[in-house]
Amino acid sequence: AQSVTQLGSHVSVSEGALVLLRCNYSSSVPPYLFWYVQYPNQGLQLLLKYTSAATLVKGINGFEAEFKKSETSFHLTKPSAHMSDAAEYFCAVSPLYSSASKIIFGSGTRLSIRP
Amino acid sequence: GAVVSQHPSWVICKSGTSVKIECRSLDFQATTMFWYRQFPKQSLMLMATSNEGSKATYEQGVEKDKFLINHASLTLSTLTVTSAHPEDSSFYICSARESRARGGGDQYFGPGTRLLVL
Repeated sequence: AQSVTQLGSHVSVSEGALVLLRCNYSSSVPPYLFWYVQYPNQGLQLLLKYTSAATLVKGINGFEAEFKKSETSFHLTKPSAHMSDAAEYFCAVSPLYSSASKIIFGSGTRLSIRP
Repeated sequence: GAVVSQHPSWVICKSGTSVKIECRSLDFQATTMFWYRQFPKQSLMLMATSNEGSKATYEQGVEKDKFLINHASLTLSTLTVTSAHPEDSSFYICSARESRARGGGDQYFGPGTRLLVL
């Protein structure tokens, strides 16, 4: 079975500050890990994904995430927050080598940016 | 890049009517499509997985007679909410996985359909 836990349903940072959104996963098999962003009343946009190649994954909009197997974590970071980063962020997991797999989402973290 | 569309983007209907939502992969073939439901300020909950040419696989607790899924071609899946009631009001999102994908990735999400049942 697979699951992800996002720590903190709401994170607020100042514009220009570091963004850190936490995600821990549980998986009995090697996982795919994802971060998605959702703006109000819109669908999901893939920020980045881990596919067992490099442990540090760079995504769009300046975001990156590091896969740490020893900590079962896949935290999302951005060095300097921008007002346009305000959105809902979802961490997700899927089995790496199963073509019949489905993606399991975390509960989401709402990111607010203070001027 | 791979694009998934949904139609309509929003719909308002009366209680008791049926509503059909379409999900299309515009520039790739999708053997598998997924339907999710999202309540306000909550995460996406997988409702069902549909494979082209076969019956959909529903998640536990999802009524298959209530939410009819048809995946008649490699680019189109439909979700029909039958005899809709106010509690069916939600944001419905589909995703499509490329036929050539070997792993769990390469899923592309549609923009969602907001359903309001009066």
